[in-house]
Amino acid sequence: GENVEQHPSTLSVQEGDSAVIKCTYSDSASNYFPWYKQELGKRPQLIIDIRSNVGEKKDQRIAVTLNKTAKHFSLHITETQPEDSAVYFCAASKPQAGTALIFGKGTTLSVSS
Amino acid sequence: DTAVSQTPKYLVTQMGNDKSIKCEQNLGHDTMYWYKQDSKKFLKIMFSYNNKELIINETVPNRFSPKSPDKAHLNLHINSLELGDSAVYFCASSQGGKSYNEQFFGPGTRLTVL
Repeated sequence: GENVEQHPSTLSVQEGDSAVIKCTYSDSASNYFPWYKQELGKRPQLIIDIRSNVGEKKDQRIAVTLNKTAKHFSLHITETQPEDSAVYFCAASKPQAGTALIFGKGTTLSVSS
Repeated sequence: DTAVSQTPKYLVTQMGNDKSIKCEQNLGHDTMYWYKQDSKKFLKIMFSYNNKELIINETVPNRFSPKSPDKAHLNLHINSLELGDSAVYFCASSQGGKSYNEQFFGPGTRLTVL
């Protein structure tokens, strides 16, 4: 089955710096790669996603890249702010109805001002 | 106009008890899921239903039984609760038939077994 590895497990940056979180997946049939942000005590919130027919996607300060050949995808956050502090999860999924999201183990991002 | 809702938000109970968690979505989706988030924050699929039909049943003890009375609801019943069942349980939903599997999560139910 699918396996998703996520690095690093913790990341501390200064406000205004960039943060990069990397994930790898194992199943070449996976075609959908979302990123979720989870604040303490809250639900995972979808912040950006990328599909296998796209190499890069950007939404304001957040961007995601996908390398299908290497089975890598990454989240880039620029100009980090204290409110970006949270746990970030990458996930991979196949297209079939009812297919699970297979999550990485999460990255705790701390942005200090 | 909450998209995916769960009740209760918190559940504290004794070992050996039976409890249920309810989930409802008003997004018109036809697929619903239960995920478990353990104390290390790891999110793992437990079950999924598509049009009230069980699709995924991961290696979960038989004490856990999902029920989907209709496409908008997915409940989780847990028998003979154990200490190790303490976790946050998230319901999620998605629309099947798409080429990608975008899922929306409920607020979670924090289960504490004493």
